[in-house]
Order: sequence, then structure tokens, then C-alpha cells
Amino acid sequence: AQSVSQHNHHVILSEAASLELGCNYSYGGTVNLFWYVQYPGQHLQLLLKYFSGDPLVKGIKGFEAEFIKSKFSFNLRKPSVQWSDTAEYFCAVKGTYKYIFGTGTRLKVLA
Amino acid sequence: NAGVTQTPKFRILKIGQSMTLQCTQDMNHNYMYWYRQDPGMGLKLIYYSVGAGITDKGEVPNGYNVSRSTTEDFPLRLELAAPSQTSVYFCASSFPRTGRSTDTQYFGPGTRLTVL
Repeated sequence: AQSVSQHNHHVILSEAASLELGCNYSYGGTVNLFWYVQYPGQHLQLLLKYFSGDPLVKGIKGFEAEFIKSKFSFNLRKPSVQWSDTAEYFCAVKGTYKYIFGTGTRLKVLA
Repeated sequence: NAGVTQTPKFRILKIGQSMTLQCTQDMNHNYMYWYRQDPGMGLKLIYYSVGAGITDKGEVPNGYNVSRSTTEDFPLRLELAAPSQTSVYFCASSFPRTGRSTDTQYFGPGTRLTVL
């Protein structure tokens, strides 16, 4: 069965710290992978996506993610977080029609 | 483009009442989705549609119904509201792409529903 696991449920960092959020997926076909962000009180917005090619994907606001096929992982990274990155982050894998979302990671960045 | 719009933004229902959550997209997307978001549970797919007249169940369809008579609209119906349906509901749409790109879901602002 398709599934997405996000291991960190809550993360607290100070500004300028580096960020890595884990995402592992289980899917038998060709994977399309996504990271979405949900700022407080807002709807989900796309951060970045991977469908083929270079496994290192760069997104908006300085975020990047690396697809490692052998580890079934798609971890999200940012070298230096800002207070404005406080949000909930969701990893998702897309099947033929449907998207499967992880349970999310709440990130709080302390100023 | 307004993107994906949802109404209402907030609603309180009594147990047993019914209501329809509206969702409209103006991007000519074929695919539309309804999710519910509960704290610590991520997003769970309720129903989805790959085109007008075609709908299918997601992970958690019980207690809900949908219809898709036009490309733009994808309403979600709750017939007999229960406290377990207290949640935030998001509608999303996407356009299927092939080749060098892949489709992205665009989300509406959500409807916060409380059933008492």
C-alpha cells in the first residue's frame, strides 16, 4: 500500500539553524514527490516537487529536497531558517490520480 | 484567476443536520479533490474526481457524498452530521500533465466545520 512517513512531528529551531525534515515513502510505481507548506491559518502551498531528472530539487524560499531512490526518501532541507519559516510541512507522493500525504511536521523557529 | 475557492469559511452544525461545502476552481483543471485535515493526522482524502461526471472514493468517504456536474464545481455533502466530522476541509484541483512535468495540486482556503 502507498504510504508516506514523516518522522519528525514537532521541530523547534533557532533562527539561522539548519533544517532537515525526513520523509520516507512506500510506492510501487513511478514516483512524483512533493513538499507542501501550510503557514498558520493558511492553505497548503507547494514548496517543491520531484518528477524526474536531477534528484536534488530546489524550491521556493531557499528550500531544497533530495530524492534518494535506494532509501525511498525525499528529505527537505534549508541551510538557515528564518522566523517566517514557522509552519507545518507536508510530504506527499502522487499515484495515478491520488496524492498520499504524510502526517506533517510542525516547525517553530525562535527569533 | 481566483484559483480554488471554498464556501463557507466557518460553519457550526448540530448533530444530524446536513450541509454542502462548496468548491469552485477557475483553472480548467480536470482533477478535483476533497480532504479533511485533523491535528496530527495530516490530510486524508475523502473523494476525488477526474472529470465531470466521474467521482471515486478516497480513504475516508463514509458520511460524505459528492457530485461533479461541471468541470468547475465539486461540492461535498454531509447528510447526517456527526461530531467525528468536526475538521477542516480542503478542496484541491490539479491538471494532469505528461512528459517533462507533473501536475501540482492547488488548494482552497479551507472550511472549518464544527459539529456539536
